[in-house]
Amino acid sequence: EAGVTQSPTHLIKTRGQQATLRCSPISGHTSVYWYQQALGLGLQFLLWYDEGEERNRGNFPPRFSGRQFPNYSSELNVNALELEDSALYLCASSLRGQGNIEQYFGPGTRLTVT
Amino acid sequence: AQKVTQAQTEISVVEKEDVTLDCVYETRDTTYYLFWYKQPPSGELVFLIRRNSFDEQNEISGRYSWNFQKSTSSFNFTITASQVVDSAVYFCALSEVSGGYQKVTFGTGTKLQVIP
Repeated sequence: EAGVTQSPTHLIKTRGQQATLRCSPISGHTSVYWYQQALGLGLQFLLWYDEGEERNRGNFPPRFSGRQFPNYSSELNVNALELEDSALYLCASSLRGQGNIEQYFGPGTRLTVT
Repeated sequence: AQKVTQAQTEISVVEKEDVTLDCVYETRDTTYYLFWYKQPPSGELVFLIRRNSFDEQNEISGRYSWNFQKSTSSFNFTITASQVVDSAVYFCALSEVSGGYQKVTFGTGTKLQVIP
């Protein structure tokens, strides 16, 4: 069974541009989570989507947004890129649960903003 | 407020030594879940274990063991007879459900280096 996939692997953008990151969950998983992993900061929760709806978001500005498609894949959009947005962006998927379901992670997209 | 503290930023041990990774959490909920994940150099986090707040039984899986103590809000992870393949960053995470919304908080991770 295929795991969580993310594309692209690497993305280089210039400050002020927009970045779009994509994630395909494990088949049968309806929840998708996005995390930012900046150096030394661990994983910071960005967004949680389930059944096409945004269910929760972390403490990030509105220029971080996303959506979930009917096939449960997801996009993360980052507008007006800033240098500090450079990080590894991890996507995870899980079955719908009540906090008790483990998440399965993709390999991440390394975003570099110059 | 929900918080996970992994005070050990980096640990180095010699192969075959035992090592314990600490995790301390804060939560106001009575129902919550704790997780450990491993992030090898390849970057992909791997789920290791889940424990709910009502189950304080310690668990052993091969060389891995977990000690959950609600009295000290800790969920520590011990690797016995460490191996080079154990070298990775280990994350502890806390999951709560509040108002129907799940919130997961990760610690900052502990980087474990096992020296041959």
